[in-house]
Amino acid sequence: RKEVEQDPGPFNVPEGATVAFNCTYSNSASQSFFWYRQDCRKEPKLLMSVYSSGNEDGRFTAQLNRASQYISLLIRDSKLSDSATYLCVVINFGNEKLTFGTGTRLTIIP
Amino acid sequence: DAGVIQSPRHEVTEMGQEVTLRCKPISGHDYLFWYRQTMMRGLELLIYFNNNVPIDDSGMPEDRFSAKMPNASFSTLKIQPSEPRDSAVYFCASSFEYGDRTGATGELFFGEGSRLTVL
Repeated sequence: RKEVEQDPGPFNVPEGATVAFNCTYSNSASQSFFWYRQDCRKEPKLLMSVYSSGNEDGRFTAQLNRASQYISLLIRDSKLSDSATYLCVVINFGNEKLTFGTGTRLTIIP
Repeated sequence: DAGVIQSPRHEVTEMGQEVTLRCKPISGHDYLFWYRQTMMRGLELLIYFNNNVPIDDSGMPEDRFSAKMPNASFSTLKIQPSEPRDSAVYFCASSFEYGDRTGATGELFFGEGSRLTVL
């Protein structure tokens, strides 16, 4: 089983809709969680951290479910510019490596 | 401010040739990472350095791959000899603070990548 797993998609969503996707992790010692965004043929960039209590940044909401070992990303009122691949990232306790999921591809349709 | 700078941006070479990829991290960052990205495997960590010292190279696929960081502002990833299966985008990233330590932001700053094609 991969350490970090994501549904590769693609998710094709109409503009203005709400979309959510999950990421599961296998190591219960995983300590820190993040969502990165990668535009086509560009480098990944940090979108937001995921806190235990859940957190929101504008139209984006990230949540962590430790019991079921997954994190989620919700995008409300989606915009064309949200089209990208969203990468889930996990850091395990005592380990300095960031482990990336393979990403979920999102396309917002006009 | 300059970000992470990688060169070359694109490289096409023939099987068996030596390939050298270069990276200049953001000034003041003391961690440097080399990742490889393919459609099938996503982003894979190859090696990372802390204060120019290699910490974990367990992701380096085989002896054909080597990485060095002779000083705080420069690193190289070398493939010799190259093979078609090495074709990928190679990213360099740097960070000043990450991991599970207090105050970690988990933010890596990536370069634009080096797209390698081995024929």
